[in-house]
Amino acid sequence: DTGVSQDPRHKITKRGQNVTFRCDPISEHNRLYWYRQTLGQGPEFLTYFQNEAQLEKSRLLSDRFSAERPKGSFSTLEIQRTEQGDSAMYLCASSGTGHNQPQHFGDGTRLSIL
Amino acid sequence: AQSVTQLDSHVSVSEGTPVLLRCNYSSSYSPSLFWYVQHPNKGLQLLLKYTSAATLVKGINGFEAEFKKSETSFHLTKPSAHMSDAAEYFCVVSGGGNTGKLIFGQGTTLQVKP
Repeated sequence: DTGVSQDPRHKITKRGQNVTFRCDPISEHNRLYWYRQTLGQGPEFLTYFQNEAQLEKSRLLSDRFSAERPKGSFSTLEIQRTEQGDSAMYLCASSGTGHNQPQHFGDGTRLSIL
Repeated sequence: AQSVTQLDSHVSVSEGTPVLLRCNYSSSYSPSLFWYVQHPNKGLQLLLKYTSAATLVKGINGFEAEFKKSETSFHLTKPSAHMSDAAEYFCVVSGGGNTGKLIFGQGTTLQVKP
């Protein structure tokens, strides 16, 4: 169990640019989640995959955001035409499919928009 | 809808004294509740979880929490604070349905003074 891995840890970009983050879950976990955490707040749910299927998306996930998990293993989160308000920590978590399985979090990707 | 309210945004204790972090929840059904801890620039680590078994839940690092349905509370306690306990603590409720998405409180910053 190597834990949930996220890459990069930090990303600084100019407004209007596209960015992509990667998450590698714990290998035997079927479920994968993305959350966003702004300064001084708790994380907020963005989206959820079970295997390769994206089963739920939050209203926070605007059209500029897209997430994929093509082979049911790693996932990517892309933000197009970044805005100042996108600056946040993006957290990935994974879990098994049993009832109330705990979610294991990565260390996150901190996005700063200049 | 499910929600949690953390009653204190900041708690300060002296090393060796008890810790109490307060959390109230709202849920339309029997909830699953969690406490997570987050150290600076790190992801979240699960401290403990309640899933309708014993109402007193023991977690890692000497923390425990008691589920009180009559008070809709799930307070986190530790008998004796250690300097390494200084961090951000989140009370979390499962969002329900089949996704297992988590709904986080606003967080409580625990300061431990020598």
